[in-house]
Amino acid sequence: GAGVSQSPSNKVTEKGKDVELRCDPISGHTALYWYRQSLGQGLEFLIYFQGNSAPDKSGLPSDRFSAERTGGSVSTLTIQRTQQEDSAVYLCASSRTGSNTEAFFGQGTRLTVV
Amino acid sequence: AQSVTQPDIHITVSEGASLELRCNYSYGATPYLFWYVQSPGQGLQLLLKYFSGDTLVQGIKGFEAEFKRSQSSFNLRKPSVHWSDAAEYFCAVGPLSGSARQLTFGSGTQLTVLP
Repeated sequence: GAGVSQSPSNKVTEKGKDVELRCDPISGHTALYWYRQSLGQGLEFLIYFQGNSAPDKSGLPSDRFSAERTGGSVSTLTIQRTQQEDSAVYLCASSRTGSNTEAFFGQGTRLTVV
Repeated sequence: AQSVTQPDIHITVSEGASLELRCNYSYGATPYLFWYVQSPGQGLQLLLKYFSGDTLVQGIKGFEAEFKRSQSSFNLRKPSVHWSDAAEYFCAVGPLSGSARQLTFGSGTQLTVLP
C-alpha cells in the first residue's frame, strides 16, 4: 500500500478483555516495529520483526503482550487481559530493511481501557 | 544503554521567529540520529536524519540539524517558523550495528506557534 495502515484507529475496551491491533506495512518492507506512546511520554519500543528472523521481543512490558507477523507482511499485536495502564497510542512502523533506513509510521491505534 | 534527552517539554515561538529544539543523546559510539514530527492524530513523519559525513543536515520543511559529537547533541533548527509547524517533535537515536534495530526516542517537545 501507499503507507503503513493500522486498524482500528480507535479502540475502547473493558478492563480484562483481550484486544488485537493490526498493522499493514508498506509493501516490500522487511522490517516492522511496534511502539507504544503513552500520554506525555515518548515512544516506547515494544517489538521488532525483520524478515524471517526471530523477532526482538525485548520491549514487551509483560507476558500479556504478544505479536506475530504472518507471511512477512501483516502484523497483529495482541494484549490479553487489558489493564488501564495499557491505555496508549500504539504505533506501527516499517522500513525497507532493518539497517536503520527510514522508518515510516502509521497513524496509530488509540487504545482506551475503561 | 542508549538514551535521548529533550530538555524542553514545551516551546512557544511567534510566527516568523527562529526555532531551536534541543536534543542530547547518550550512546557508546556515534549513532544514527533522527528528528520526527507528529501532528495531532497523526503518525510520525521523518524530518531529517544523520548517519555520517557533513554534520549539518538539511531536512524537509526548511528544517536543519547539526550533529555535535563533543556535546552529544543533535539540535533541530528552523530560521523562520510557520504556523503549520505547530506539532510535537521527537529526537531519536538508532544503533549503527548489532542486532537491535529499534529507535530510542526522546520524550518530545511540543511546539506552539503564536500568530
